[in-house]
Amino acid sequence: GAGVSQSPRYKVAKRGQDVALRCDPISGHVSLFWYQQALGQGPEFLTYFQNEAQLDKSGLPSDRFFAERPEGSVSTLKIQRTQQEDSAVYLCASSWRKGQGADTQYFGPGTRLTVL
Amino acid sequence: DQQVKQNSPSLSVQEGRISILNCDYTNSMFDYFLWYKKYPAEGPTFLISISSIKDKNEDGRFTVFLNKSAKHLSLHIVPSQPGDSAVYFCAASAARGGSNYKLTFGKGTLLTVNP
Repeated sequence: GAGVSQSPRYKVAKRGQDVALRCDPISGHVSLFWYQQALGQGPEFLTYFQNEAQLDKSGLPSDRFFAERPEGSVSTLKIQRTQQEDSAVYLCASSWRKGQGADTQYFGPGTRLTVL
Repeated sequence: DQQVKQNSPSLSVQEGRISILNCDYTNSMFDYFLWYKKYPAEGPTFLISISSIKDKNEDGRFTVFLNKSAKHLSLHIVPSQPGDSAVYFCAASAARGGSNYKLTFGKGTLLTVNP
């Protein structure tokens, strides 16, 4: 019974580099979420997928951020031309049903991104 | 502008005593509230939730109280155990709204339970 997994767990990038962060949700979960957690803050919503459809990307900070879930399972969050302010923990979560506030979101351990 | 506020960055209690973690919210559209617990180097883990149609929800040692008029909720842990030491996040969603899946989190409170 695997939970949500994320890779890599830690990523160090030089400013200007592109990075790709992977999320493997719980098998069969319809909904997938990405959050950004800056140091000393709570997680902040980035984007939401229902199966392969990206229904909400309102939280993505800039057009340098791009997320996809092409087959409705694994998702990738890509950040182009990384900046120091992108340094944060990126959390992925999944839930069983179509996104509903009452549906429990299960979180992965996160990817800690440090941009030098 | 923080819509969910946890004004106590940290709390320290003795084992066996009650821990009370507080959370305030400003968005009157929020109608579903959750508490998550987070250990270092792990993702947040769901603990307990409450709908705005209730004012109390209990699960074992954990009880969440909701005061809608004050826009305030609290998490009570009785009795506190050393294994409860973690960061606790309060989160809210607007279930009636179009983006009912979106959780808004507070900054968290670090609870330390001393043996």
